Amino acid sequence: ETGVTQSPTHLIKTRGQQVTLRCSSQSGHNTVSWYQQALGQGPQFIFQYYREEENGRGNFPPRFSGLQFPNYSSELNVNALELDDSALYLCASSLVTGPSTDTQYFGPGTRLTVL
Amino acid sequence: GQQLNQSPQSMFIQEGEDVSMNCTSSSIFNTWLWYKQDPGEGPVLLIALYKAGELTSNGRLTAQFGITRKDSFLNISASIPSDVGIYFCAVIFLTGTASKLTFGTGTRLQVTL
Repeated sequence: ETGVTQSPTHLIKTRGQQVTLRCSSQSGHNTVSWYQQALGQGPQFIFQYYREEENGRGNFPPRFSGLQFPNYSSELNVNALELDDSALYLCASSLVTGPSTDTQYFGPGTRLTVL
Repeated sequence: GQQLNQSPQSMFIQEGEDVSMNCTSSSIFNTWLWYKQDPGEGPVLLIALYKAGELTSNGRLTAQFGITRKDSFLNISASIPSDVGIYFCAVIFLTGTASKLTFGTGTRLQVTL
């Protein structure tokens, strides 16, 4: 059983640029959630994807968008990068079956630095 | 938004000592989780609690789901250097059809020899 993987590990961008982060979910999982973790804080929920659709969103602007693919992997896209977007971006996968939900397992994260 | 308050914020202990930390909320939750995060890594699930009053162990770790469903605590017995890290409590918060995790403020643990 493979765990959650993310790429790239580190990334440096400049203000105004766009970035795409990738996540492969743990085998057997069908749901992917993305979190932003600023330095010294706990992770903050960005959004969740289930059946290739966004089914919940946190308090993040529309320039944060995502995709989920048929193999349950996912992308997080951020447009018009701002300095405050510098953070560790975490992907978590889980298995959702009907109304119940399993716990979420995290990948190692992508460290994004915006200059 | 929902806030989970963890205490203590940080602690320095000696190897071999027992550690206790807790997490409180103003709202009721049906699931409490404890994660550990090492520097530059993602959080790793330590213990999941699904029932009020439940006491669950994972090796030297023991966690309890408070009877009021508004709190939880985590104990680490006989701490070792690799216990160093940040410990987060988290709850599952249903928003529409999505289940998101809301994390506590974290407890930074440092172990000295």
